[in-house]
Amino acid sequence: RKEVEQDPGPFNVPEGATVAFNCTYSNSASQSFFWYRQDCRKEPKLLMSVYSSGNEDGRFTAQLNRASQYISLLIRDSKLSDSATYLCVVNPKSDSWGKLQFGAGTQVVVTP
Amino acid sequence: DGGITQSPKYLFRKEGQNVTLSCEQNLNHDAMYWYRQDPGQGLRLIYYSQIVNDFQKGDIAEGYSVSREKKESFPLTVTSAQKNPTAFYLCASSKLASGATQYFGPGTRLTVL
Repeated sequence: RKEVEQDPGPFNVPEGATVAFNCTYSNSASQSFFWYRQDCRKEPKLLMSVYSSGNEDGRFTAQLNRASQYISLLIRDSKLSDSATYLCVVNPKSDSWGKLQFGAGTQVVVTP
Repeated sequence: DGGITQSPKYLFRKEGQNVTLSCEQNLNHDAMYWYRQDPGQGLRLIYYSQIVNDFQKGDIAEGYSVSREKKESFPLTVTSAQKNPTAFYLCASSKLASGATQYFGPGTRLTVL
């Protein structure tokens, strides 16, 4: 079983619609969670950290479900510029700086 | 501008050659990392360094070597011992703290001919 698993997609989303997808992680002791965005042939860029209580940044909402060991990302009012691959990233340790674990990414394609 | 730079952007190598990928950061970060990304896979850690003159193997260190002579620089050498070196290589840096955000350079795309 992979340490971090994501549905690869693609999720084809009409412009203006809402899309949501999850990421599951295997280490129940994981402490920090992130969503990164990666455009084609570019480097990953931090989209948002995921906090225990859930958090929102504009049109983006991230949730953490520790009991079921998954995090989610919801994008409202999708824009063409939201087309990208979204990487789920998990820090499995709390007692050290930690080596991050990366999912393979979920591809989102927003269509006009 | 503060950030991470990698060079070259594209690199072609013949089989049997060693090549060195450059990574420089001016973010004053203590920790630096090298990852490899292959299609359909998550990033895999090659080497990481938390302090000058010290570094540790990641999950796929075989066929690679690094050095950390300066805080700002963490070059990666892909040796001829690496069996399948064609990939997208990403360098990252972060503060030395648990859960610290990692910031990535623009990457080097290495192709073995």
